[in-house]
Amino acid sequence: TQLLEQSPQFLSIQEGENLTVYCNSSSVFSSLQWYRQEPGEGPVLLVTVVTGGEVKKLKRLTFQFGDARKDSSLHITAAQPGDTGLYLCAGEGYSTLTFGKGTMLLVSP
Amino acid sequence: DAGVIQSPRHEVTEMGQEVTLRCKPISGHNSLFWYRQTMMRGLELLIYFNNNVPIDDSGMPEDRFSAKMPNASFSTLKIQPSEPRDSAVYFCASSLAAGFGYTFGSGTRLTVV
Repeated sequence: TQLLEQSPQFLSIQEGENLTVYCNSSSVFSSLQWYRQEPGEGPVLLVTVVTGGEVKKLKRLTFQFGDARKDSSLHITAAQPGDTGLYLCAGEGYSTLTFGKGTMLLVSP
Repeated sequence: DAGVIQSPRHEVTEMGQEVTLRCKPISGHNSLFWYRQTMMRGLELLIYFNNNVPIDDSGMPEDRFSAKMPNASFSTLKIQPSEPRDSAVYFCASSLAAGFGYTFGSGTRLTVV
């Protein structure tokens, strides 16, 4: 079974702060995806990283895939209340995604 | 496109009753997935269809759970009989193909009392 560990489980910060959340595994994945989920809704895809060492930027969000394709990080610069949500990483293997339990981010004004 | 459409949004039923959850994937997406989300276990894959054919149902908890995809635009997940421990949010997702991102529906919140 491929397991993904996300940390921290919960993060509460003030608007304008920077933060990094982590996604770690002992397994190698062909790709890793990040999703954000808001209350009462399904997860929404943010980004897919495929190549070891790859860095992708989406406005204030920076995603990095580890060199060995086992781990990933998400860095948010100058967080805003609209960034509040559950951030999920998911590793692709055997045509399906295995999800971590997520990091719940709360950004207060 | 309206996205992945799930119904109902909420379902409250009594233990022992049959429950049927419905999903309409995005047109043209060849893969369909049913996931269950709980606080304790997070998102768990129940079953995966490719071109309407069940490929992997190893995540289906037990024989009380069954899923069908009679055509490319419709899938059902049935629980019979339902039990309180089945209470969770059930998500359907579709994908263009393996390696592509998933589009999730808004989920069905199931409560079994």
